[in-house]
Amino acid sequence: DTAVSQTPKYLVTQMGNDKSIKCEQNLGHDTMYWYKQDSKKFLKIMFSYNNKELIINETVPNRFSPKSPDKAHLNLHINSLELGDSAVYFCASSQGRGAGGYTFGSGTRLTVV
Amino acid sequence: AQSVTQLGSHVSVSEGALVLLRCNYSSSVPPYLFWYVQYPNQGLQLLLKYTSAATLVKGINGFEAEFKKSETSFHLTKPSAHMSDAAEYFCAVSDLNNNNDMRFGAGTRLTVKP
Repeated sequence: DTAVSQTPKYLVTQMGNDKSIKCEQNLGHDTMYWYKQDSKKFLKIMFSYNNKELIINETVPNRFSPKSPDKAHLNLHINSLELGDSAVYFCASSQGRGAGGYTFGSGTRLTVV
Repeated sequence: AQSVTQLGSHVSVSEGALVLLRCNYSSSVPPYLFWYVQYPNQGLQLLLKYTSAATLVKGINGFEAEFKKSETSFHLTKPSAHMSDAAEYFCAVSDLNNNNDMRFGAGTRLTVKP
């Protein structure tokens, strides 16, 4: 009965590969997000979707492409992986604009070698 | 644009001592403010939130925070630290007029000594 679930939890891959991270929420929320947490624990928003529509697209390389097939899912596809993409990626969701706060998944640790 | 600054990247207290984690915000409109906790290898969990109701907000695990507009602060406190409180704590601000954009502080690592 996990509220926000991400798969996989760990991902180790070589430079140049393409990989996807999946996220699903069962809270009935209408907004979903992707955050990147670097090695110093700094959290940076990457994307935000509301009812399958892109709301926020921060300065992220276009190698990163989010896809929202429905409002319960927000997947992240990364092309041509680079060493600097190594980080923990968190999916989150909220109802509306998030006045009640966000619910986070447990994260996907991506290591590019 | 709104932002938060957490003073002190690392705070260490003894078990049973007062916990004080500092957060100052910058926002051109009345902000919504949040504290989250992150335990090792886990996601962020909401501790408490301020959404323009009472200025003293109580959260989970005995934590509370006070919104002080004059000081642009939203410090997190707990009267008596427990070993299980050791974690990373993040302050966050959201300007709900800016398309759901929640901004996080750099985090404060809390260590609790026996």
